[in-house]
Amino acid sequence: DTEVTQTPKHLVMGMTNKKSLKCEQHMGHRAMYWYKQKAKKPPELMFVYSYEKLSINESVPSRFSPECPNSSLLNLHLHALQPEDSALYLCASSHASTRAEQFFGPGTRLTVL
Amino acid sequence: SQQGEEDPQALSIQEGENATMNCSYKTSINNLQWYRQNSGRGLVHLILIRSNEREKHSGRLRVTLDTSKKSSSLLITASRAADTASYFCATDGGDYKLSFGAGTTVTVRA
Repeated sequence: DTEVTQTPKHLVMGMTNKKSLKCEQHMGHRAMYWYKQKAKKPPELMFVYSYEKLSINESVPSRFSPECPNSSLLNLHLHALQPEDSALYLCASSHASTRAEQFFGPGTRLTVL
Repeated sequence: SQQGEEDPQALSIQEGENATMNCSYKTSINNLQWYRQNSGRGLVHLILIRSNEREKHSGRLRVTLDTSKKSSSLLITASRAADTASYFCATDGGDYKLSFGAGTTVTVRA
């Protein structure tokens, strides 16, 4: 299985809502990532988990809260978001021990009203 | 943060023609990778070239890397309509961080 899955595909939420994005992979990868991508822009790294521990937080606002419950799952909890947080949120995974390619999921299209 | 710059920003070619896009970066790297993204979808890894390699091939793709000039190029030969997508270079400087270039949008006309 060489697939990274993300749910939901689309999400519309109000600024007072709490929601979660989910990501799953079964490739045995021990590094997992969250990226944010605005229209016609490249992906921007948000968080990196390595062996289920948060290793990189790219100064992301606390209204985004990542969680890695096990080596296959990655969540991104959302709370009190702003309209400018509307974007495509991409999850990726890779081998942690080698500098190899990252496998991306199809993304969650988030709209904050 | 975005390290790479890509040119051109957009490219329109006829089916069967070759497409070339370039990527320049600023700091030393472990490897450079190229990804493709179809509209609104996830990224697909195309090819990885390590800092001690100069050229690499994969099917219709040819990538070059010039570390002295801090630049790379991606050539797609005999383009097809299915090659229509955005192409991003990404540099790996270590610590799992990939820095993506701004991307080149390629349109292949039938």
